[in-house]
Amino acid sequence: GQQLNQSPQSMFIQEGEDVSMNCTSSSIFNTWLWYKQDPGEGPVLLIALYKAGELTSNGRLTAQFGITRKDSFLNISASIPSDVGIYFCAGLPGGYRDDKIIFGKGTRLHILP
Amino acid sequence: GAVVSQHPSRVICKSGTSVKIECRSLDFQATTMFWYRQFPKKSLMLMATSNEGSKATYEQGVEKDKFLINHASLTLSTLTVTSAHPEDSSFYICSARDPSRSAYNEQFFGPGTRLTVL
Repeated sequence: GQQLNQSPQSMFIQEGEDVSMNCTSSSIFNTWLWYKQDPGEGPVLLIALYKAGELTSNGRLTAQFGITRKDSFLNISASIPSDVGIYFCAGLPGGYRDDKIIFGKGTRLHILP
Repeated sequence: GAVVSQHPSRVICKSGTSVKIECRSLDFQATTMFWYRQFPKKSLMLMATSNEGSKATYEQGVEKDKFLINHASLTLSTLTVTSAHPEDSSFYICSARDPSRSAYNEQFFGPGTRLTVL
């Protein structure tokens, strides 16, 4: 089946640093989504991308839908302690009526004291 | 807007008992809800798609008789883990799609239910 390869698996950074993570696939996706999950909570949608090449920001977060439709990245600028958590990329491979989301394996973000 | 709740947030039960988990869309009507399972430090695994007024569609490898799903109204779907065993212990998360909010199938997730089977 279709899979998303998300990297890195984990990151250890200093507060204030910028963060970059990405997802790639061997097949095309029509929608890319980025979620954040805090421990013991459900994922929260951060950014949704609908068009190839689209670049969207949400505060300190910026995400892009790759031109080839096979990749997406998420950047976090000037990280703060509350950015700690697991970030999942997710994609919808199908068209408008395809509901199924495929999730990447997540990137765990740690901020060093 | 687009708030999804789950109840209970945590449940501990004895092996062999059944457990019901509720998923509610609080401020929108959800014709489609989804049930996921998540193991520690792992990604979300889709178990089934729940459609209001019809039978759920289960993913390959998910036992229909083990995980009963009912979507009786546009704001409520339930997942019942029947005859639970320790290997069913997991974090169960539901999500719902709000068709009025976006044409692009964004899903909004509940806070999850931690099931522990002793």
